[in-house]
Amino acid sequence: GQQVMQIPQYQHVQEGEDFTTYCNSSTTLSNIQWYKQRPGGHPVFLIQLVKSGEVKKQKRLTFQFGEAKKNSSLHITATQTTDVGTYFCAGFDSWGKFQFGAGTQVVVTP
Amino acid sequence: EAGVVQSPRYKIIEKKQPVAFWCNPISGHNTLYWYLQNLGQGPELLIRYENEEAVDDSQLPKDRFSAERLKGVDSTLKIQPAELGDSAVYLCASSPGTAGGAFFGQGTRLTVV
Repeated sequence: GQQVMQIPQYQHVQEGEDFTTYCNSSTTLSNIQWYKQRPGGHPVFLIQLVKSGEVKKQKRLTFQFGEAKKNSSLHITATQTTDVGTYFCAGFDSWGKFQFGAGTQVVVTP
Repeated sequence: EAGVVQSPRYKIIEKKQPVAFWCNPISGHNTLYWYLQNLGQGPELLIRYENEEAVDDSQLPKDRFSAERLKGVDSTLKIQPAELGDSAVYLCASSPGTAGGAFFGQGTRLTVV
């Protein structure tokens, strides 16, 4: 079955630094979605990517969908304490199965 | 606009007892999801509805779990009987269609003792 893997599992970042988290699928995805979950909260939809090689930006967040539509990345520049949380990717495979990755937990040090 | 509403927020029950969760999706959202989330893990899909039809229930443990979405709006998820391993957060989400992002409710934290 489809496997959606996220690396790293944990990311400790100094405030002001940049970092990237990665999402890899064992099968081709029709789309990829990214969510953010604050501690004690629920997942909040951030963005969806559909096209091969697509890049979208939301302020300091840059999302990319790989050319083969099997991987994605989230890059955050100038990390702030408000970026704390767990970032999940999720995607539909070609059979319509939707699966979340295990997430990257981001901790920001002031 | 109101978001996805779930109740109760917290539930503590003894093992072997039944429990039910309720979800009211965002108005006009045809797609409704029930997820289970364990601590430190991503949400795991239990069932997905398109209107009143369950289109993906392959990961729903049907021996003890059941769900319904009468009239294609509100939904309930039931566990009977509950087991210790069912302790988790149960999340409901809705979306305008299958292709878009999902909007999650605050979840129900179930503790089975």
